[in-house]
Amino acid sequence: AQKITQTQPGMFVQEKEAVTLDCTYDTSDPSYGLFWYKQPSSGEMIFLIYQGSYDQQNATEGRYSLNFQKARKSANLVISASQLGDSAMYFCAMREGFRGGFKTIFGAGTRLFVKA
Amino acid sequence: DGGITQSPKYLFRKEGQNVTLSCEQNLNHDAMYWYRQDPGQGLRLIYYSQIVNDFQKGDIAEGYSVSREKKESFPLTVTSAQKNPTAFYLCASSIRDRQDNEQFFGPGTRLTVL
Repeated sequence: AQKITQTQPGMFVQEKEAVTLDCTYDTSDPSYGLFWYKQPSSGEMIFLIYQGSYDQQNATEGRYSLNFQKARKSANLVISASQLGDSAMYFCAMREGFRGGFKTIFGAGTRLFVKA
Repeated sequence: DGGITQSPKYLFRKEGQNVTLSCEQNLNHDAMYWYRQDPGQGLRLIYYSQIVNDFQKGDIAEGYSVSREKKESFPLTVTSAQKNPTAFYLCASSIRDRQDNEQFFGPGTRLTVL
């Protein structure tokens, strides 16, 4: 069963506008972490933001924020004031706790295109 | 500067040959990981190591082998038993193997088997 689902293969956004990248997950482990990574065309993965399953508030890191809706099992990434350099692949990932062996599972990714 | 290095960036090999991909980190991280990425897909875990001299199979370990003799190094060997080895390989590390530790990635090695 797919544990991380990213339903948007590609997204377009106008420069300086905000964009939301969707991510839903599935786990029975009460303790887990949710991550977003950016992969530019160079290939390396860049960590953006983290949300813990017990965190009460949504995580924020600069222009990135994570819209965490635990009951709906969603962890959408919001990028505010998009820049041309934001064009890349974005991956949502979940790392389960002890029950899941601390494995990190990645979604298939969303390719974001920022238009000038 | 602390980080993860992978070499080489591009690697070409003939079918039937074993090949070893290098991964070195100077972050003093306990845990290290190898992932495979195919075009248009996410990352799949090959092997991981939580501590020196110990490692576990991931979801797609068949046809691969690893060693962890030093904390800083986690080389991956792609053997001739791997049916479709052409892919992008990423090495990662984290402080420890915990659900709240992010992973730091190397630049990757693109392997092409001819």
